[in-house]
Order: sequence, then C-alpha cells, then structure tokens
Amino acid sequence: DQQVKQNSPSLSVQEGRISILNCDYTNSMFDYFLWYKKYPAEGPTFLISISSIKDKNEDGRFTVFLNKSAKHLSLHIVPSQPGDSAVYFCAASDEDGGSQGNLIFGKGTKLSVKP
Amino acid sequence: KAGVTQTPRYLIKTRGQQVTLSCSPISGHRSVSWYQQTPGQGLQFLFEYFSETQRNKGNFPGRFSGRQFSNSRSEMNVSTLELGDSALYLCASSSRGVVVDTQYFGPGTRLTVL
Repeated sequence: DQQVKQNSPSLSVQEGRISILNCDYTNSMFDYFLWYKKYPAEGPTFLISISSIKDKNEDGRFTVFLNKSAKHLSLHIVPSQPGDSAVYFCAASDEDGGSQGNLIFGKGTKLSVKP
Repeated sequence: KAGVTQTPRYLIKTRGQQVTLSCSPISGHRSVSWYQQTPGQGLQFLFEYFSETQRNKGNFPGRFSGRQFSNSRSEMNVSTLELGDSALYLCASSSRGVVVDTQYFGPGTRLTVL
C-alpha cells in the first residue's frame, strides 16, 4: 500500500510560469514533509520541508503548501526556470524527531521546464 | 566540505554473485542511510547506521546487509544477486540521522545484474 503518492509521473511547464507538483498521503499520523530534487546522475538534494503545525513554508521561488484535512501537499515553483527540470520526490514521516529511516518517499514527478 | 562519495559508480554483475558498495559520508556526519531506487518503486529505505550500529532496517531480505566503520564510512553488501536487484543504490549522510536533519545524498552506484 503506497502511503505517499505522486500521481503525476511527469509535468511540462513553460519557462516563467508556475510549476505545481502534487503529493497525497494516506497516513494521518504523518507530521513532517520534505521535497527533494534529483538531477540525472546525481543524488537527491533537499529542497524544502514543512511541519504539520504549518500550512505553508516558503524559500525563495519554492513554496510548499500543506492541507492536512485533504492529506495533500503541493510544491509551487514560481517562476519556473529550465534549471528546475528534474525529478521531484516528496517524503513524509510520522515523527519529526524520529529516524530518517521512517521517511516514506513518493515515486517522483519528472518536471520539464521548456525555454 | 567534500560531499558524500560512493564507489564504484557503475557495476555489472551476474545472477548469484555478490557485490559490495562503499559510501564515504560528509566529514563529521555519523549517520549513513542506504536507499534503493528503481523506476517502479521510487526510493526505498534499506538501513541506517549511526556510530557503527544499525539503528533501522527497511523491508528487504537478509541478502542485503551493511556495516559502518569507526570513521563513519559505510559499506553495503548484496549476496546471491537477483535480476530484480538492478537499481540505483544511494547513500545519504546526516549529522544525527533524525528526520529534521538535512540528508546529503551521494551520486549513487548503478548496479546492473545480468
């Protein structure tokens, strides 16, 4: 049973527009969420996180929104740039002070930003 | 600071063989986690080591094992390789191994089993 789902395997966006990547989860005990970005031939890189006590966290062009009642989070990239083209993974944990081994990852969404 | 390094970057093995992958964490980091990435399954947690002790283990068969040395470097071993073990194996290091710590990933070892 997939506890963290990224239902869109791919997304294509025009440069300068907004990219919205979605992630749904089934475990209501999840209380800490992260987004990672992965370029080909490189390991994932941490992007942004959010705790369940917040509904929004912003870092430059990247904003993560959390809707606990819908068990849904989204990553907004504004404006999108060609360098943002990568695979994006969301991950969730049920204990922010717990082990990283408790992180459950989604399968990823490949974002392509067209010039 | 040097990043997480993994060796080798690519490996080709045949079924039934065994393989050892190596990971050197960022200096000062005591936690090393290993993940398997396949197209169909995304990132799946294998195990985590902290100060030479395995603290957590994912849902993988006993053919997958690992260890950590006193300098925090870690190795993982897969015995009796199966075709389904073909994947990208990633290691990640962090200072304490807790969720709120940033994990830094290495570039991975691409294992192909023929």
